[in-house]
Amino acid sequence: SQTIHQWPATLVQPVGSPLSLECTVEGTSNPNLYWYRQAAGRGLQLLFYSVGIGQISSEVPQNLSASRPQDRQFILSSKKLLLSDSGFYLCAWSVGRVRTSNQPQHFGDGTRLSIL
Amino acid sequence: AQSVAQPEDQVNVAEGNPLTVKCTYSVSGNPYLFWYVQYPNRGLQFLLKYITGDNLVKGSYGFEAEFNKSQTSFHLKKPSALVSDSALYFCAVRVLSGYALNFGKGTSLLVTP
Repeated sequence: SQTIHQWPATLVQPVGSPLSLECTVEGTSNPNLYWYRQAAGRGLQLLFYSVGIGQISSEVPQNLSASRPQDRQFILSSKKLLLSDSGFYLCAWSVGRVRTSNQPQHFGDGTRLSIL
Repeated sequence: AQSVAQPEDQVNVAEGNPLTVKCTYSVSGNPYLFWYVQYPNRGLQFLLKYITGDNLVKGSYGFEAEFNKSQTSFHLKKPSALVSDSALYFCAVRVLSGYALNFGKGTSLLVTP
């Protein structure tokens, strides 16, 4: 069966420090991968998605970047964190052609990021 | 633009009573609709989806949802609520040409003993 892992579960970082959040998927090949941010326990905002190694699409301009160095690894990064980067970051995966698949996305347990 | 709306921030139900969590959608074309549940400090768990076919879709944990094209709704239902159903519920939509899910703002369900 497929599983998705995110770490760390919680992170407290000072303003201006770098960030690296990691997400890995097991049990499937060539998944579509996504990074979402959830603010205040409610709405989800898609930040990045990837259909393959090295292929990253950004949904919103921001202080963050994403990379996919391996098929089942997705990394969210920042060179200098802002206060506004605080939130709950969720990684997700799906299969099928990203524009036409009717398959659901499956989420990790998230990373709660607090910026001080 | 495709979107979903969840008109209720919170729904309160007594244990054993039926529950309904409302969702309406606005899309051009045929929608793919999804329901997810989120427990505190956890990721979203997939409950069920509507793609085509029977308007009543059955999913995990005894939940079901009814697709109504004329009313553009996709309400989540359960015949008998459990205290353990208390969580945050999200409706989401994706149109055929879309690449991401558009989520509603979520509805907090509280089931009291």
